[in-house]
Amino acid sequence: DAGVTQSPTHLIKTRGQQVTLRCSPKSGHDTVSWYQQALGQGPQFIFQYYEEEERQRGNFPDRFSGHQFPNYSSELNVNALLLGDSALYLCASSAGTAEAFFGQGTRLTVV
Amino acid sequence: QKEVEQDPGPLSVPEGAIVSLNCTYSNSAFQYFMWYRQYSRKGPELLMYTYSSGNKEDGRFTAQVDKSSKYISLFIRDSQPSDSATYLCAIPSASSYGKLTFGQGTILTVHP
Repeated sequence: DAGVTQSPTHLIKTRGQQVTLRCSPKSGHDTVSWYQQALGQGPQFIFQYYEEEERQRGNFPDRFSGHQFPNYSSELNVNALLLGDSALYLCASSAGTAEAFFGQGTRLTVV
Repeated sequence: QKEVEQDPGPLSVPEGAIVSLNCTYSNSAFQYFMWYRQYSRKGPELLMYTYSSGNKEDGRFTAQVDKSSKYISLFIRDSQPSDSATYLCAIPSASSYGKLTFGQGTILTVHP
């Protein structure tokens, strides 16, 4: 079992650009959640996808959007990047329980 | 007031010490309580989770929940240098398991 996999591992983008991050959930998991973790902080919930629909959303602007595919994999898109979007972006998968398993994250640097 | 508060430390202990990590929370509707360990430049790894009040033990780790005072703890016995990491408490939303609210994380260093 490969667990939760995310790509790419690192990314450098320029202010104003757009970025797409990808996540494959753990085998058997149908729910994907995305988190943003700033340096020295705990992860902050962005949104959750289940059955290809956004089920719940945290306090993030509309520049953050996502998608879930029929195979349960997911993408996180961020438009009009700001310097403050620099962070570790984490994907977590679950299967109808409280247990959530995280990927290794994508480190995004906006310059 | 934040929903989940955690002392960020840092905490530095000698090998073999007992470590106590703590969080407080504000929403009495919370039912599940989780601890994650995060090594540098890695994603969080689920260590333990408990339901409602009481203790749960797994090897050298014990998770404790006191719902009356809204206080959760993780104890590490016989701490090892390999335990050096950031420890995060996390609480699933009462209405949706998927949304986890995390504490800030406590940085632990166990020195030989």
